Amino acid sequence: DTEVTQTPKHLVMGMTNKKSLKCEQHMGHRAMYWYKQKAKKPPELMFVYSYEKLSINESVPSRFSPECPNSSLLNLHLHALQPEDSALYLCASSQELAGSSYEQYFGPGTRLTVT
Amino acid sequence: AQKVTQAQTEISVVEKEDVTLDCVYETRDTTYYLFWYKQPPSGELVFLIRRNSFDEQNEISGRYSWNFQKSTSSFNFTITASQVVDSAVYFCALSEDTGFQKLVFGTGTRLLVSP
Repeated sequence: DTEVTQTPKHLVMGMTNKKSLKCEQHMGHRAMYWYKQKAKKPPELMFVYSYEKLSINESVPSRFSPECPNSSLLNLHLHALQPEDSALYLCASSQELAGSSYEQYFGPGTRLTVT
Repeated sequence: AQKVTQAQTEISVVEKEDVTLDCVYETRDTTYYLFWYKQPPSGELVFLIRRNSFDEQNEISGRYSWNFQKSTSSFNFTITASQVVDSAVYFCALSEDTGFQKLVFGTGTRLLVSP
């Protein structure tokens, strides 16, 4: 079962709000990813977790805070966002992180609008 | 540095036509991996295929086929007898084999299949 779920599907938040995006996978994958995708652009990597530890942070502003509570769950905490942070946020997972041969499986995304 | 070029921004075809999506890549590594993903309007990226640099065999899966040619650094994707459900944005992506190398996506090709 190659499924990654994300909640919520849509989120509208003000610049002073705090919200969280959630991602879950039950494929036993040990690597999980957050991507940001603006309209008509490819996904951009934000964070990578491997075995529940943050492995890569692609110089993402601190108003985005990732968390991996266990091997199946990945959260993205949002605080004091800017309108330009409005985008589709995609979660993905892969079997392992070491080496780059494993395909990533993506969730349906959360469409975020910052007002 | 790695780079993926999808020169076709948008392709429009009529149902049952065959269509080829082009992908040209650049890498200095001898070991690398190529991927195709489909992104329908719903937003989720769907994994289609992974190819490693040592396997130049072409692959066919139903109406989909892939032509990998190292001599021209290309990994093209053909849909035979296209259907309306094939309408989506298709991304070609590359990762190298040195430690963790993030997926480098092309800019995507939007395919519109009309009835």
